Amino acid sequence: NAGVTQTPKFQVLKTGQSMTLQCAQDMNHEYMSWYRQDPGMGLRLIHYSVGAGITDQGEVPNGYNVSRSTTEDFPLRLLSAAPSQTSVYFCASSWGNGSPHFGPGTRLTVT
Amino acid sequence: GQQVMQIPQYQHVQEGEDFTTYCNSSTTLSNIQWYKQRPGGHPVFLIQLVKSGEVKKQKRLTFQFGEAKKNSSLHITATQTTDVGTYFCAGPGNQFYFGTGTSLTVIP
Repeated sequence: NAGVTQTPKFQVLKTGQSMTLQCAQDMNHEYMSWYRQDPGMGLRLIHYSVGAGITDQGEVPNGYNVSRSTTEDFPLRLLSAAPSQTSVYFCASSWGNGSPHFGPGTRLTVT
Repeated sequence: GQQVMQIPQYQHVQEGEDFTTYCNSSTTLSNIQWYKQRPGGHPVFLIQLVKSGEVKKQKRLTFQFGEAKKNSSLHITATQTTDVGTYFCAGPGNQFYFGTGTSLTVIP
């Protein structure tokens, strides 16, 4: 199993550009989630999904969209990138409310 | 909303010294989990505590869950350079609410 995979690993965007961070898991996990990690802030939940077709907002959802059309994939879309979205983004998946398995992360810089 | 606070934010220790990080929640937790993140890496699950007053050990790591299930601690005995990283606690919610983390530096 590849576990949780994320692409790209690194990305630089200009303010106002849009992009999609990809996340896929091959463990047939129901739950998937997106976190952002900033220095001194820990991991903050952006959006999550408890199954295909179901998504909900976390702590910091503004500026991000998600969809869950399949069990395996959970892309995160930045609609109009802002410097405040410079961060490391982690995707995670789990069985039910069990301990999440994290992907390797995407390091995003918005200039 | 639920908050999980962690102290200290940073800790530098000499190799061989002990290290402790503390996690406090504003609400009672059904369980608490601990994660380790190596520099440049992703969080990796270490352990879950469920019962009030529970103590679990993993080699030199000791995890405790408070009697009121609102706080927890991770203690590392005789730190080694391989212990370097950031340690997070996390409480359950819609997904998981992570503490701010404690970054441990071990000086050889």
